[in-house]
Amino acid sequence: GQQVMQIPQYQHVQEGEDFTTYCNSSTTLSNIQWYKQRPGGHPVFLIQLVKSGEVKKQKRLTFQFGEAKKNSSLHITATQTTDVGTYFCAGRATNAGKSTFGDGTTLTVKP
Amino acid sequence: AAGVIQSPRHLIKEKRETATLKCYPIPRHDTVYWYQQGPGQDPQFLISFYEKMQSDKGSIPDRFSAQQFSDYHSELNMSSLELGDSALYFCASSLGQGRGYTFGSGTRLTVV
Repeated sequence: GQQVMQIPQYQHVQEGEDFTTYCNSSTTLSNIQWYKQRPGGHPVFLIQLVKSGEVKKQKRLTFQFGEAKKNSSLHITATQTTDVGTYFCAGRATNAGKSTFGDGTTLTVKP
Repeated sequence: AAGVIQSPRHLIKEKRETATLKCYPIPRHDTVYWYQQGPGQDPQFLISFYEKMQSDKGSIPDRFSAQQFSDYHSELNMSSLELGDSALYFCASSLGQGRGYTFGSGTRLTVV
């Protein structure tokens, strides 16, 4: 079945440093979604990418969808303590009825 | 704005008991998903419904069943509970199957 892998599993950064998490799917995706889950909270939808090579920005967050629609990345510029949490990608394979979540990358930010 | 409502928030059951989790999706959302999340794990897809019909099935044990009712709320029924069923159970809804999900706050199930 479809597998979605994320790296790294954990990332510790100093406040102000940049952060990137990478997501790779074993199958071609029709779309990829990104979620943020704070400790003790529920996943919160951040964005969805659909087009090959798509790049979207939300303030300090930049999301990319690979040309082959099998990988994606989330880059945070100048991290802040409010960025802490686990970032999940979720890929939806073509004709699939649901998205498969990656393992998540847990970000901690040291002030 | 209305969110996805899950009840109960917390549930403690003994082994071999049954549990029913409820989910009320965002009004007009036509798709409901159930996910199970263990400690430090990613959400694992259990089952989904589109317009009250089961649309996809994941790693849901045979001891579990789910349905979506005419008012679009959904229930996850879990029988013969095992210690390993202890987890956070999230319900999410979306408008169409290709859109972002809105998650509820989850039900934390503890089996003792």
